[in-house]
Amino acid sequence: QKEVEQDPGPLSVPEGAIVSLNCTYSNSAFQYFMWYRQYSRKGPELLMYTYSSGNKEDGRFTAQVDKSSKYISLFIRDSQPSDSATYLCASRGAGGTSYGKLTFGQGTILTVHP
Amino acid sequence: NAGVTQTPKFRVLKTGQSMTLLCAQDMNHEYMYWYRQDPGMGLRLIHYSVGEGTTAKGEVPDGYNVSRLKKQNFLLGLESAAPSQTSVYFCASSYSAGAPTYNEQFFGPGTRLTVL
Repeated sequence: QKEVEQDPGPLSVPEGAIVSLNCTYSNSAFQYFMWYRQYSRKGPELLMYTYSSGNKEDGRFTAQVDKSSKYISLFIRDSQPSDSATYLCASRGAGGTSYGKLTFGQGTILTVHP
Repeated sequence: NAGVTQTPKFRVLKTGQSMTLLCAQDMNHEYMYWYRQDPGMGLRLIHYSVGEGTTAKGEVPDGYNVSRLKKQNFLLGLESAAPSQTSVYFCASSYSAGAPTYNEQFFGPGTRLTVL
């Protein structure tokens, strides 16, 4: 079983819809949680990160972590065709020994159609 | 700044051939990583380096070797390529410590490798 599980989709929504992307994780040592966005044939880019439990909002994007249930979510409001990409959740432990190593989910392919 | 660059962008190998993928970063990052990305598997860490002259194994290291002779470069080698190594390879780099803001991994554009 992978330490970070993510439904690969694909997910197709109309423009303007609210999108919910989700991951679960199993490693209790994970403290940092990230969402990366990857456009077709490009490298991933960091979209948002959170530390421990809680919410973080950035424009149309909200990242949410519930450590009690080991659940990670990304919400996209008023989705746009430019949001069409693969979204990857990632997690890592705290401290220097993690060396910044990330464990990624499988990625969810999102298409927002006009 | 060019960020993270990867050479080559595409490559086709025959089974048993060898090759080296080059990753270069101009951000003075301490840490560098090599990942492979396969459909339905996400990104999996092959090897990583926490500084010049150091390397360590990641999740899927078998069949690969790496070297970090210079801080800005991280090389990934395939000594005897196999069809199972057909994948998209990404290099990434990050600072060494601190909050995720300082530990964000910056990715290169990837190398598409096909082994026949």
